[in-house]
Amino acid sequence: EPEVTQTPSHQVTQMGQEVILRCVPISNHLYFYWYRQILGQKVEFLVSFYNNEISEKSEIFDDQFSVERPDGSNFTLKIRSTKLEDSAMYFCASSGVGGANEKLFFGSGTQLSVL
Amino acid sequence: AQSVTQPDIHITVSEGASLELRCNYSYGATPYLFWYVQSPGQGLQLLLKYFSGDTLVQGIKGFEAEFKRSQSSFNLRKPSVHWSDAAEYFCAVRAEYGNKLVFGAGTILRVKS
Repeated sequence: EPEVTQTPSHQVTQMGQEVILRCVPISNHLYFYWYRQILGQKVEFLVSFYNNEISEKSEIFDDQFSVERPDGSNFTLKIRSTKLEDSAMYFCASSGVGGANEKLFFGSGTQLSVL
Repeated sequence: AQSVTQPDIHITVSEGASLELRCNYSYGATPYLFWYVQSPGQGLQLLLKYFSGDTLVQGIKGFEAEFKRSQSSFNLRKPSVHWSDAAEYFCAVRAEYGNKLVFGAGTILRVKS
């Protein structure tokens, strides 16, 4: 089965630093997503991206967050100035045509620790 | 707004025993429902999904789930659990607008031999 790849698997950073989390979605997919899971809490939607622009974002996704598809294969999440509360597992996902019955393929996640 | 409740944070079952993980949802129309599993160090893997039709859906790894509109439930079942089923299980519903998924808090399954 095709896979979504995320790097790095773990990222440790100092508060206030910028981090970029990287994802390689499945090659023919059109919709891309970021979710996160704070330890002990629910998996939460952050943002969806389609046709080179954000199609939907949650309240969590404030001005400190941005997403980009810099080339034809990568999909990145940038946190401009990290806070302690940004520590979480971040999941990238992609889907084909984005229909309501479309299956989302998730990556294995990046564990971000902000010290 | 849509929401998903998984009332059991942890469940422990013996290997070979049957399993039922509970999921209740809040949704105005016919929901699109999913069960995902996350093994340690792995991503979220889709076990099964329900959109319409037969209310009993079959998934991978011998799992099934039954949609019960009257109870707003979508419980996951397996007749005989294997040690490799130990993982965290997430129920999710597709949001009424847009493509995002709304997840429950997850249920951690432990399997004892």
